[in-house]
Amino acid sequence: ILNVEQSPQSLHVQEGDSTNFTCSFPSSNFYALHWYRWETAKSPEALFVMTLNGDEKKKGRISATLNTKEGYSYLYIKGSQPEDSATYLCATYNYGQNFVFGPGTRLSVLP
Amino acid sequence: DVKVTQSSRYLVKRTGEKVFLECVQDMDHENMFWYRQDPGLGLRLIYFSYDVKMKEKGDIPEGYSVSREKKERFSLILESASTNQTSMYLCASRARQGMGNQPQHFGDGTRLSIL
Repeated sequence: ILNVEQSPQSLHVQEGDSTNFTCSFPSSNFYALHWYRWETAKSPEALFVMTLNGDEKKKGRISATLNTKEGYSYLYIKGSQPEDSATYLCATYNYGQNFVFGPGTRLSVLP
Repeated sequence: DVKVTQSSRYLVKRTGEKVFLECVQDMDHENMFWYRQDPGLGLRLIYFSYDVKMKEKGDIPEGYSVSREKKERFSLILESASTNQTSMYLCASRARQGMGNQPQHFGDGTRLSIL
């Protein structure tokens, strides 16, 4: 089973702060990386699907980058808002494997 | 929008009981998955199915079985529940085409407690 790591495990920021966190994964046989946002009492929601090295995706104040050669992805949130509070999950899909999820980064945005 | 519906949000059962967790999706997706989520760990794949009547073991299948008699429904069965199966269970579905570059669509989860 591949090992997907996320850091930090949890994060507390003030409203208006920008923040970022990391997903690290084995780069061999890489096919795709997914980011999900999981709010309390709701279902995980897909944010981004990324496949190409150097890919950069953006949705509103949230953006993500991908480095498949070194095996990492960054998720950035600009001007955090309380509604951004959630657990952010990354998952990788490698050839010959199932999706493997990281343990998540729990973000709390304080008003 | 894809809707994945899990039959219960909370469930309490006793050790040794046979437990059924039901999942229904409404987007005609071929692929369906069952995961469990425990504190400090990522979602771990229990079983998945690529089509009706098909099932494949995931990473932690021991103590579980599944049933996919209809395309829209994927059931997870705990044959004889044990306390170490207390967890949050998530069902997901995904369109077949594109495989790894199709996002998964999740249900709200079932928090199962085995006493």
